[in-house]
Amino acid sequence: QKEVEQNSGPLSVPEGAIASLNCTYSDRVSQSFFWYRQYSGKSPELIMSIYSNGDKEDGRFTAQLNKASQYVSLLIRDSQPSDSATYLCAVGSPPGSARQLTFGSGTQLTVLP
Amino acid sequence: NAGVTQTPKFQVLKTGQSMTLQCAQDMNHNSMYWYRQDPGMGLRLIYYSASEGTTDKGEVPNGYNVSRLNKREFSLRLESAAPSQTSVYFCASSEKGGRDYGYTFGSGTRLTVV
Repeated sequence: QKEVEQNSGPLSVPEGAIASLNCTYSDRVSQSFFWYRQYSGKSPELIMSIYSNGDKEDGRFTAQLNKASQYVSLLIRDSQPSDSATYLCAVGSPPGSARQLTFGSGTQLTVLP
Repeated sequence: NAGVTQTPKFQVLKTGQSMTLQCAQDMNHNSMYWYRQDPGMGLRLIYYSASEGTTDKGEVPNGYNVSRLNKREFSLRLESAAPSQTSVYFCASSEKGGRDYGYTFGSGTRLTVV
């Protein structure tokens, strides 16, 4: 049974601070990792994907992957109240198999003005 | 460009009733998925279709059936609804190819079984 664990939260940060969201996964052969943002009552939307060890930056968002430690994180710099949402970590199935994503239960982030 | 369209958006069923949740995508994606989302449980895969003509069980298939009607449409059927199936249901699609297969989700169906 593949597992994806996220820091349960909720997490509150002041506006302008860095928010750090963490995720660990159990399946060592996973190669695709995703972060989704979900506003209350809405559907998840993809914000970042990462496949190689190291950092990947997109605007205020940085995804970090460490396959040896089976660890994925998302940093949000200069956090804004509009970043308040639940962030879902998702891990992809191994190459060659049907492309399924296994999701963590999410971390609720609140950015305080 | 509608993306992934789900109907209905809301539904209340009585225990034992049946219904079909509809999903259609206009992005020419090969793969489609049905997830349910419950508080504290995250998204759990019910069924998926890797390509037109194929369907497979996910993590929580009991009580559900699916049909991949064509490349665009993937429906989820509850034959005899139970209160445990009260949830938010999301359909998603993705393109086949490489490692980059982040899903596009529909807006969800909020189902209550009483």
